[in-house]
Amino acid sequence: DIQMTQSPSTLSASVGDTVIITCRASQSVRTWLAWYQQKPGKAPKLLIYKASTLESGVPSRFSGSGSGTEFTLTISGLQADDFATYYCQQYDNYSLFTFGPGTTVDIK
Amino acid sequence: EVQLVESGGGSVQPGGSLRLSCAASGFTSSDYWMSWARQAPGKGLEWVANIKEDGSEKHYVDSVKGRFTISRDNAKNSVYLEMNSLRAEDTAMYYCAKSGTKNDYWGQGTLVTVSS
Repeated sequence: DIQMTQSPSTLSASVGDTVIITCRASQSVRTWLAWYQQKPGKAPKLLIYKASTLESGVPSRFSGSGSGTEFTLTISGLQADDFATYYCQQYDNYSLFTFGPGTTVDIK
Repeated sequence: EVQLVESGGGSVQPGGSLRLSCAASGFTSSDYWMSWARQAPGKGLEWVANIKEDGSEKHYVDSVKGRFTISRDNAKNSVYLEMNSLRAEDTAMYYCAKSGTKNDYWGQGTLVTVSS
């Protein structure tokens, strides 16, 4: 089974900061990696898919990169609305999807 | 507008059963894989199961294999999760999602509580 890790688990930042979250897979998932934002009591919201493709309607301050086993989500110019928990998810094949443990971005 | 609406959650005793439903609208669900994921209170997301467009292929996370069954009725644009032998650790919000090259639409979830 493919295991996903994220770092850091919690990140304190200020409005305007650039934030980088890292996701690692235990084996190659090629570019089948997605990033989600989740706020309390809400369903996950897709931000990035295929490692670097921005979902329609998602602000361009969000960007994703990476392939194989290492990926990053960058938020350039953090906004108040961005304080949330972020999850990566691999979906390299349909037999087993896996989420990372999550990174909470909170206010410094 | 794409919508996924889950239903069927509730409180059940350990060992009991529930059947969750996910009604899809705004797209042809038979053109897509569909998935169920869950989130225990205060915990992270966990993918549970998915099913191919025609129902011919299904996959499950190890912790639910043999207890949960995913199915679909494309004529009704619906996906189901039959949950048997429920355990306390199955307590979670259950979400269905439209899957494929991206898992882009999610329902708002239905809460399952397993407790005596």
